[in-house]
Amino acid sequence: QKEVEQDPGPLSVPEGAIVSLNCTYSNSAFQYFMWYRQYSRKGPELLMYTYSSGNKEDGRFTAQVDKSSKYISLFIRDSQPSDSATYLCAMKTSYDKVIFGPGTSLSVIP
Amino acid sequence: DSGVTQTPKHLITATGQRVTLRCSPRSGDLSVYWYQQSLDQGLQFLIQYYNGEERAKGNILERFSAQQFPDLHSELNLSSLELGDSALYFCASSFRGSGAYTDTQYFGPGTRLTVL
Repeated sequence: QKEVEQDPGPLSVPEGAIVSLNCTYSNSAFQYFMWYRQYSRKGPELLMYTYSSGNKEDGRFTAQVDKSSKYISLFIRDSQPSDSATYLCAMKTSYDKVIFGPGTSLSVIP
Repeated sequence: DSGVTQTPKHLITATGQRVTLRCSPRSGDLSVYWYQQSLDQGLQFLIQYYNGEERAKGNILERFSAQQFPDLHSELNLSSLELGDSALYFCASSFRGSGAYTDTQYFGPGTRLTVL
């Protein structure tokens, strides 16, 4: 079993839809959780980071962490064609290397 | 633009050859990380340097090596290349490299390596 699992998609939604992206993990020592966005042929860029269970909102993006279920989510409201990219979840323990999920490919259709 | 630069953008070479990938971190960042991204393996951490010293090692093959120079740029050397080494290689940099989650890693545009 991989440490971090993520549905690779592709996920295709109409513009304006609410998108839900999810990751599960097996290491209960993970404490810090991040979401990166990667456009085609570009490097990943950090979207959001969270610590502990609960929700964190930033504009149209909401990150949710449920440590008891070892499950994290990223919600995108009012999705735009510019949101079309691959979304990578990432997580780490206190001072260890970052472990990335395989990524979910998202297409937002105008 | 993250401020991290990588050269070259593309590299095509043959099996058995040796290549060097170069990375310049963001101004002020002391730590450099190297990652390999392939379709079947996702983004894999290879190695981290902090201010010239190796700090952490991930799934880096013995055929691969890296170093960080006094001006903080870094090079990743890949030797005895195999077909399976074809991938995107990303460099990232951060200020402290302490591993704290607030020490954000900024990624470069990557080098696409094709081994024929």
